[in-house]
Amino acid sequence: GENVEQHPSTLSVQEGDSAVIKCTYSDSASNYFPWYKQELGKGPQLIIDIRSNVGEKKDQRIAVTLNKTAKHFSLHITETQPEDSAVYFCAATYDQAGTALIFGKGTTLSVSS
Amino acid sequence: GAGVSQTPSNKVTEKGKYVELRCDPISGHTALYWYRQSLGQGPEFLIYFQGTGAADDSGLPNDRFFAVRPEGSVSTLKIQRTERGDSAVYLCASSSQTRAFNEQFFGPGTRLTVL
Repeated sequence: GENVEQHPSTLSVQEGDSAVIKCTYSDSASNYFPWYKQELGKGPQLIIDIRSNVGEKKDQRIAVTLNKTAKHFSLHITETQPEDSAVYFCAATYDQAGTALIFGKGTTLSVSS
Repeated sequence: GAGVSQTPSNKVTEKGKYVELRCDPISGHTALYWYRQSLGQGPEFLIYFQGTGAADDSGLPNDRFFAVRPEGSVSTLKIQRTERGDSAVYLCASSSQTRAFNEQFFGPGTRLTVL
């Protein structure tokens, strides 16, 4: 089955810096890669996703890149703000209804002002 | 519009007791998922419903865990003879059948503590 590795487990940056979180997956058939942000005491919130037919996707300060050959995908946050502090999870799965998301173990991002 | 809601937000029970956790998905979403999240880990899949039927229950850890969705909307996760190892946050997610892709929207979770 699918296995997702996520690095780093913790990341501390200064406000305004960029943050990068990296994930690798094992199942070459996976074709849908969402990223979730989870604040303390809350459920995961979908912030961006990418499908295997594209290599990069941007939404304001966040972007995701995908390297299908290397089975790597990454989350990039630019101009970080204190409210970006949270746990971020990557996931990999098949892009069809009913397929379970396989999550990484999460990255705790701390943005200090 | 309203998101996925889960009740209760917290549940404390004693070892051996029975508990029920409720999930109310986004209106119109026919796909519903249950996940379990242990401390410091990502969510792990338990069960998936399409409509009223459990289409995939391969993630349920053992036969003490059971879930229903009798009318194709609200779902209840039931845990019998709870054990301390069942302590975790139980998350529910839903997605729309009309979309071709697998966007899943999560509720706030129920934190279960088994003493």
